[in-house]
Amino acid sequence: DIVMTQSPDSLAVSLGERATINCKSSQSVLHSSNNRNYLAWYQQQPGQPPKLLIYWASTRESGVPDRFSGSGSGTDFTLTISSLQAEDVAVYYCLQYYGAPPGTFGQGTKLEIK
Amino acid sequence: EVQLLESGGDLVQSGGSLRLSCAASGFAFSTYAMSWVRQAPGKGLEWVSSISGTDGGTNYADSVKGRFTISRDNSKNTLYLQLNSLRAEDTAVYYCAKAGCTSSTCYLNYLGQGTLVTVSS
Repeated sequence: DIVMTQSPDSLAVSLGERATINCKSSQSVLHSSNNRNYLAWYQQQPGQPPKLLIYWASTRESGVPDRFSGSGSGTDFTLTISSLQAEDVAVYYCLQYYGAPPGTFGQGTKLEIK
Repeated sequence: EVQLLESGGDLVQSGGSLRLSCAASGFAFSTYAMSWVRQAPGKGLEWVSSISGTDGGTNYADSVKGRFTISRDNSKNTLYLQLNSLRAEDTAVYYCAKAGCTSSTCYLNYLGQGTLVTVSS
């Protein structure tokens, strides 16, 4: 099974500053047949279900603000929030769907305001 | 607009059974694979099971294999999860989820509000 490890477990960032969350997979999630990384990012605000932000590692879901971006390939990925807003306080999860279904989530990263 | 409405969550004793339902609307239900994802209180997300839209092929996490059964009724736009031999560690909010594309391997692009299953020992 592919294990996903996120870092850090939690972080605090000032409003307007950049937030960076990392996700590492135990094996590559880059599919050679289509050169796509099977990696997605989700945001879960308090009391809400998870919401898709990014898929194929770097494609932003419709309606997601452009301050959210995804990067990386193979086994190492990053979610970046370029300018933190108050409404971005949430837990963020990465998901690999290379070995799906079912895929595996990272343990989550809790983002707070400093 | 995609809508997924879960129901069926309840308090049940260890060893008991429960059936969860998910009523879907706003998209061509039979075209997409559907899944169940759960979240234990204060914990992270676990993708539990999936079923394809076309041939009905199913997949399960090792933690529920042999105890849970996923099924769907495309005529009713409804997804189900039968939970048997329930354990305390199955206590969680169970989310119904839709695949984001029609290929066999895809991300989940929408999750419902969830239904709470509590297993008492």
